[in-house]
Amino acid sequence: KAGVTQTPRYLIKTRGQQVTLSCSPISGHRSVSWYQQTPGQGLQFLFEYFSETQRNKGNFPGRFSGRQFSNSRSEMNVSTLELGDSALYLCASSGGQGGETQYFGPGTRLLVL
Amino acid sequence: AQSVTQPDIHITVSEGASLELRCNYSYGATPYLFWYVQSPGQGLQLLLKYFSGDTLVQGIKGFEAEFKRSQSSFNLRKPSVHWSDAAEYFCAVGNTDKLIFGTGTRLQVFP
Repeated sequence: KAGVTQTPRYLIKTRGQQVTLSCSPISGHRSVSWYQQTPGQGLQFLFEYFSETQRNKGNFPGRFSGRQFSNSRSEMNVSTLELGDSALYLCASSGGQGGETQYFGPGTRLLVL
Repeated sequence: AQSVTQPDIHITVSEGASLELRCNYSYGATPYLFWYVQSPGQGLQLLLKYFSGDTLVQGIKGFEAEFKRSQSSFNLRKPSVHWSDAAEYFCAVGNTDKLIFGTGTRLQVFP
């Protein structure tokens, strides 16, 4: 099976712009979670989608949003970018049932100038 | 509050030496515990996981971890480290929908 794929891999934006990142889960997986990784804050949970519904949400401002499509692919959007949004954004997929493992993609590295 | 503590930010070992990376957690329910490894510029690769049963779990690349409920610990071990093990290691607790990660331990391996 192909692993989790994320596009694009690298992105440069300027403050105030918005950005959309994409994640394609492992075939058959219905849950997609998003994480932000920064040197200062480490790995932080953003949100999780299961069957097109947001099931859990982390402690991030409303500028961070996401959605999931019927084929389980997910997108996350960050509006009005700030310098502090520069990070590696990781998505992970799982079957969505209790106790299942999350498998991570390679990440999208976002640089905000 | 749910949290994971990895007390060692950076560990340096010689190739062939044994390794133990520490992880302590705080979690309200019976935890699902994971160790992931990240090489520079890469995503996270699962090394091993504990859900229930035998408290000593085996993973990939010769790693193992032991769950100790009384100590709220899930330490990662390897009897003989290889130069290719140099990476950052993350302990995590949680479930399918959300993982809480420790701050990571960077492993450096000297020949």
